[in-house]
Amino acid sequence: EPEVTQTPSHQVTQMGQEVILRCVPISNHLYFYWYRQILGQKVEFLVSFYNNEISEKSEIFDDQFSVERPDGSNFTLKIRSTKLEDSAMYFCASSGGLAGANTDTQYFGPGTRLTVL
Amino acid sequence: AQSVSQHNHHVILSEAASLELGCNYSYGGTVNLFWYVQYPGQHLQLLLKYFSGDPLVKGIKGFEAEFIKSKFSFNLRKPSVQWSDTAEYFCAVNADTGRRALTFGSGTRLQVQP
Repeated sequence: EPEVTQTPSHQVTQMGQEVILRCVPISNHLYFYWYRQILGQKVEFLVSFYNNEISEKSEIFDDQFSVERPDGSNFTLKIRSTKLEDSAMYFCASSGGLAGANTDTQYFGPGTRLTVL
Repeated sequence: AQSVSQHNHHVILSEAASLELGCNYSYGGTVNLFWYVQYPGQHLQLLLKYFSGDPLVKGIKGFEAEFIKSKFSFNLRKPSVQWSDTAEYFCAVNADTGRRALTFGSGTRLQVQP
């Protein structure tokens, strides 16, 4: 069964550094998402991406964050200048993107644990 | 904005016991409802979802959930749990306005003892 993959599984960085988290969505999916879960808190939506542009974003997704689909397979989340509070598990997801349907299943990757020191 | 509450944070059951995990949402409009499960060391995967039709939804691995609109609830049930059901269970919603962003509950950790 096709799966969403994410690399790295764990990233440690210093405060103020830039990080790029990488995801390979399921190949025929059209919608891509990033969520995060701070330790002990809920999974929170960050952003969704369709047709090479952001389709939705939350208030968490400020100017420090950006997303990109640099080629036909990867989907990346960049954090420009990391803060201590960015430490979290970051999940990528993808969905088939049935036209007009927001009921299609989102398939999640295993997550990248980001630790900001 | 919608919100989701899962009141049971940690549930411990013996094998063959029945399971019901509560999920309540807060939103004035129509919603789509999802239950995801995360087994130890694995990624989130969909158990079942509801968006229209029969309010009793059947999912994988013998799970079902009932949407009760008047109670804003979407409780997850299983008549007889197995040790392999040990996992964390997340309820999620999205607003039926075309938005795809999922709003998650805080999760319920289920521990099934053999």
